[in-house]
Amino acid sequence: AQRVTQPEKLLSVFKGAPVELKCNYSYSGSPELFWYVQYSRQRLQLLLRHISRESIKGFTADLNKGETSFHLKKPFAQEEDSAMYYCALSETGFQKLVFGTGTRLLVSP
Amino acid sequence: EPEVTQTPSHQVTQMGQEVILRCVPISNHLYFYWYRQILGQKVEFLVSFYNNEISEKSEIFDDQFSVERPDGSNFTLKIRSTKLEDSAMYFCASSESGSVQPQHFGDGTRLSIL
Repeated sequence: AQRVTQPEKLLSVFKGAPVELKCNYSYSGSPELFWYVQYSRQRLQLLLRHISRESIKGFTADLNKGETSFHLKKPFAQEEDSAMYYCALSETGFQKLVFGTGTRLLVSP
Repeated sequence: EPEVTQTPSHQVTQMGQEVILRCVPISNHLYFYWYRQILGQKVEFLVSFYNNEISEKSEIFDDQFSVERPDGSNFTLKIRSTKLEDSAMYFCASSESGSVQPQHFGDGTRLSIL
């Protein structure tokens, strides 16, 4: 069965520090990986997906099939990045998203 | 920007009662989903719906649950006889097409079973 692991419940950094939110997955096929973000009092929204290979709000994530990881990175954290971040996986050809437990990022001034 | 809307934002129901959660997906989207998040736990998939039928469901989605698209805009989740353990945040989502397209989520309905 597919599984997504986010080992950190809380990540606290200072403004300007680099950030890496870890995500590991367990799936035998070729997954599609996503990062969703939920800012305070807002809905879950897509941050980025691996097939797009894009950078959104300074965040990037690279799919490493050898390590089965999809870590989210940003070189310089901003206070407005404080939010709950969820890594999610879907199987090719299927619609359901399998979520990790989420990591709360807290960026302090 | 178009959004998925969910009503009500909070529903309080007595155990054993039926509850209907409502969602209006984004208008040009074809796939619809329900997820739930029990307090302190991960977001879990319940069901996906396409072309007026269930395309995928999880083991959580048992006979107590049903979904319907009663008209061209609404997508509902019904729980026939609620249990205490059904208390959770329920999220509706929609996407233009299948797995490669991002799912857009609503704000959620907090369901509290007493």
